[in-house]
Amino acid sequence: AQSVTQPDIHITVSEGASLELRCNYSYGATPYLFWYVQSPGQGLQLLLKYFSGDTLVQGIKGFEAEFKRSQSSFNLRKPSVHWSDAAEYFCAVVWDYKLSFGAGTTVTVRA
Amino acid sequence: EAGVTQFPSHSVIEKGQTVTLRCDPISGHDNLYWYRRVMGKEIKFLLHFVKESKQDESGMPNNRFLAERTGGTYSTLKVQPAELEDSGVYFCASSQAGQGAETQYFGPGTRLLVL
Repeated sequence: AQSVTQPDIHITVSEGASLELRCNYSYGATPYLFWYVQSPGQGLQLLLKYFSGDTLVQGIKGFEAEFKRSQSSFNLRKPSVHWSDAAEYFCAVVWDYKLSFGAGTTVTVRA
Repeated sequence: EAGVTQFPSHSVIEKGQTVTLRCDPISGHDNLYWYRRVMGKEIKFLLHFVKESKQDESGMPNNRFLAERTGGTYSTLKVQPAELEDSGVYFCASSQAGQGAETQYFGPGTRLLVL
């Protein structure tokens, strides 16, 4: 069965520093992968998605993610974090219309 | 273009009462989904509509949950009677017709607290 693992429950990063959130998937075929973000009091917003093609995917808000089949990973990165990036981030894989989410990583940004 | 909307944003009810959650998908989206996140757990799939038909309800926890999508537009999710373990955030999402991997757009969620 398809599944997603986010190893880090909570990450604290200084404003202006780089950020990397880890995501590992378990899937038999080529996965369709997503990163969503949930800011406090908000719903889930799509950051980016990978379906096929270029393994480096650009998203909104300056985020990017790299698909690495050999490592079964789809890590999310941002070169310079802003205070507004404090949120919970979810990696997900879709199969037969159903999204399977990771447990989420909460990002705290310190001044 | 309006996004997915959900009503109410919050609901506090007592155990044994009934609550109905509503979701309005993005106009033209045939696919409508319900997900739930209970406290401390992952976001879990509940069910999937294609237009007015239930395509997959494998994630529905038990028969206290009833989802409908009359006319293929908005959807309701009724919990009757509510139990303490039903507390959580209920998300609705919608997507265009396709092959199963289309982007799902989420609403803000309904935060349900059962006391």
